[in-house]
Amino acid sequence: KQEVTQIPAALSVPEGENLVLNCSFTDSAIYNLQWFRQDPGKGLTSLLLIQSSQREQTSGRLNASLDKSSGRSTLYIAASQPGDSATYLCAAGDDYKLSFGAGTTVTVRA
Amino acid sequence: GAVVSQHPSWVICKSGTSVKIECRSLDFQATTMFWYRQFPKQSLMLMATSNEGSKATYEQGVEKDKFLINHASLTLSTLTVTSAHPEDSSFYICSASVAQPYEQYFGPGTRLTVT
Repeated sequence: KQEVTQIPAALSVPEGENLVLNCSFTDSAIYNLQWFRQDPGKGLTSLLLIQSSQREQTSGRLNASLDKSSGRSTLYIAASQPGDSATYLCAAGDDYKLSFGAGTTVTVRA
Repeated sequence: GAVVSQHPSWVICKSGTSVKIECRSLDFQATTMFWYRQFPKQSLMLMATSNEGSKATYEQGVEKDKFLINHASLTLSTLTVTSAHPEDSSFYICSASVAQPYEQYFGPGTRLTVT
């Protein structure tokens, strides 16, 4: 069974600092790795999807890397803004299911 | 594109009653739909997976007679919480995917409160 771990559970940074969020998974036989953002009481917003054959994906200030062999993915958010405050979830896709981590709650202080 | 809607967005019901939640893919046909629940400050837990026209596959520990899933078309799946109890209060989120690349598109969620 796939186990996904996210460290740290919470992170508080001043505005402008770069964010590094870590995700690890136990079974490297994944189809893809997705990063989501969730605001309090809301659904999920997909940020980045990395296929198993890819090493990274970029969208604006966001960059996500994937190292299947070591079972790790990292989400980088450059020049953080207060609007980036949210919970970030990673999910490993194996077969057609997603296994979610518990998330990292980010607070960006103005 | 790839928009998934849920209805209702929130619902309050009395203990012992049943509640139906709809999940629709608005601009694509979904091969598979998924139902998750999320308790406060916890991650999403997959409850069941359903394909159009066939029975849902439930995850271990999920009562299939309590959480009825119907997947009548490629754009609509429903989750019915039968004989709801306060412990069923949670945030229910659905998602829909197409065969490749298996990316899941998530609905906005339904907050269920059972009093």
